[in-house]
Amino acid sequence: QQQVKQSPQSLIVQKGGISIINCAYENTAFDYFPWYQQFPGKGPALLIAIRPDVSEKKEGRFTISFNKSAKQFSLHIMDSQPGDSATYFCAASITSGTYKYIFGTGTRLKVLA
Amino acid sequence: GAGVSQSPSNKVTEKGKDVELRCDPISGHTALYWYRQSLGQGLEFLIYFQGNSAPDKSGLPSDRFSAERTGGSVSTLTIQRTQQEDSAVYLCASSLDTWGYGYTFGSGTRLTVV
Repeated sequence: QQQVKQSPQSLIVQKGGISIINCAYENTAFDYFPWYQQFPGKGPALLIAIRPDVSEKKEGRFTISFNKSAKQFSLHIMDSQPGDSATYFCAASITSGTYKYIFGTGTRLKVLA
Repeated sequence: GAGVSQSPSNKVTEKGKDVELRCDPISGHTALYWYRQSLGQGLEFLIYFQGNSAPDKSGLPSDRFSAERTGGSVSTLTIQRTQQEDSAVYLCASSLDTWGYGYTFGSGTRLTVV
């Protein structure tokens, strides 16, 4: 119940294309869903986050779509650029308590120039 | 400081030795977390500090792992009698004690047990 399942494991997209990464969860108590971007040799960096009271959040080229009934959320990267090549992690947490995150296993994105 | 600082960045140790990993959180961040990232895996929660106390130690994999935090600031993760399966990147993160703020991670310590 504590798992967050992330897919695909890896993704190759042409420059200018749309990258889509999906996550699914079971625990309905989760109420905060961040996405992190990690470059090699660096720690993950917060990209965008959403709460379940909204169905979509957009920041620049990055959009989270959230489907509460399906217990799924996804990251869309519009106009993907080679600089977006990184590993992306979704996560979920329960914001009462320790704010411990349960992370997905990551998606390695490569954007071809 | 401006970010979360971790040291050393890399550590190679012999099986059976003890190691200490250090984390300097962002000044003023009361919450501090340790995570472990194994090759090709997601991030695995180890321990959470609020101030100097650790209300959630549920992720520590065995009693060989311990952590402390002093002065509400620096934290040390200690692994005793290291094993090869302890090889991983150990990440520290800090946050303000408010749900709306995501973590800020350090760059991690890559631990290799040989």
